[in-house]
Amino acid sequence: NAGVMQNPRHLVRRRGQEARLRCSPMKGHSHVYWYRQLPEEGLKFMVYLQKENIIDESGMPKERFSAEFPKEGPSILRIQQVVRGDSAAYFCASSIKRGGLYNEQFFGPGTRLTVL
Amino acid sequence: GDSVTQMEGPVTLSEEAFLTINCTYTATGYPSLFWYVQYPGEGLQLLLKATKADDKGSNKGFEATYRKETTSFHLEKGSVQVSDSAVYFCALGRGGGSYIPTFGRGTSLIVHP
Repeated sequence: NAGVMQNPRHLVRRRGQEARLRCSPMKGHSHVYWYRQLPEEGLKFMVYLQKENIIDESGMPKERFSAEFPKEGPSILRIQQVVRGDSAAYFCASSIKRGGLYNEQFFGPGTRLTVL
Repeated sequence: GDSVTQMEGPVTLSEEAFLTINCTYTATGYPSLFWYVQYPGEGLQLLLKATKADDKGSNKGFEATYRKETTSFHLEKGSVQVSDSAVYFCALGRGGGSYIPTFGRGTSLIVHP
């Protein structure tokens, strides 16, 4: 039973380019969460999606960042016109049900974005 | 709002030493508490959890007890191994309208042979 898959594992972009990060949740999971981890810091929630719906994007920067989780295919986190401050590890997690009280989130290995 | 505070790292120990990583939280109501572990180059893995006061979570020799009176969930292990070297995150989760877990900043553990 494959876990949460993320690709690419490492991504290098120059300032101004676009970055696309992909996440395939665990089989049977329809809830996807994206987090960002800056160097020497903890995880910061960005966005929570279900199939074809954004449920909570309160942690997402208002500009340049967008996320989707289509009916078919992986969830995509898209960063337009990247800047050096976007360099971080981006983690995707999935869960069977909504919520963090009893429902464990399973994390992917992360995508490490480096902006030159 | 909810918050989680962990002790600063890195924590450096010799193999077979006793480990404590402190975690305290601020929250209303009755959240669940979690410890996650992140090995180098990998994502977070759930290590243990406790869903109500006085519960003890345990896994792989690690333990943590949910102490509501001190709002703490300290992680302990009696004898650490080199393979335990990782970053440990304390987290708080709840249901209802506040379903996104709150993570601490992480504590790095380095175990020397």
